[in-house]
Amino acid sequence: DQQVKQNSPSLSVQEGRISILNCDYTNSMFDYFLWYKKYPAEGPTFLISISSIKDKNEDGRFTVFLNKSAKHLSLHIVPSQPGDSAVYFCAASFEGSDKLIFGTGTRLQVFP
Amino acid sequence: ETGVTQSPTHLIKTRGQQVTLRCSSQSGHNTVSWYQQALGQGPQFIFQYYREEENGRGNFPPRFSGLQFPNYSSELNVNALELDDSALYLCASSSGLFYNEQFFGPGTRLTVL
Repeated sequence: DQQVKQNSPSLSVQEGRISILNCDYTNSMFDYFLWYKKYPAEGPTFLISISSIKDKNEDGRFTVFLNKSAKHLSLHIVPSQPGDSAVYFCAASFEGSDKLIFGTGTRLQVFP
Repeated sequence: ETGVTQSPTHLIKTRGQQVTLRCSSQSGHNTVSWYQQALGQGPQFIFQYYREEENGRGNFPPRFSGLQFPNYSSELNVNALELDDSALYLCASSSGLFYNEQFFGPGTRLTVL
């Protein structure tokens, strides 16, 4: 049972435009959501997170939006840069737990 | 400050063999988690160690076991390897329980033939 889903396996965006990566979850008990970025031959790198008590968190070019009623979160990257090309994983955790439950990832390609 | 390191980088084993993977956590971190990432999937939680004690386990059989040492480095042991154990094994460290921002190592690619 996949509790965290990323239904788009890939996304292609032109440099300078907005990239929007989506993530859906099924368990309303999730307390914390994170986005990780992964380059080939490297481990996932933490990007940005959001607590379930918030609906938006922003860090530079990266903004995460959380819609609890729809059990949906999204990551916006503006403006997109070629160096953003990577696989992006959405992850969730329960309150008081370090265990991360990951989605299957979305491969983002930013072209010039 | 050194990051999370893992060894070996790649490993090839045959079915039925045993394997040990190693992880050195980031300086100052006392919690280590292990994840298995199969091809085309997201990482799946195997277990976590906090101050040398197992603290949580995912849906993996007992032939997956681990250790954490006083210096907070860790080992993942897999006995009786199966073909489906072929995956990238990721180690992540964090600075304590309930701290969700984990720092991952580059992983060990295990191939079981």
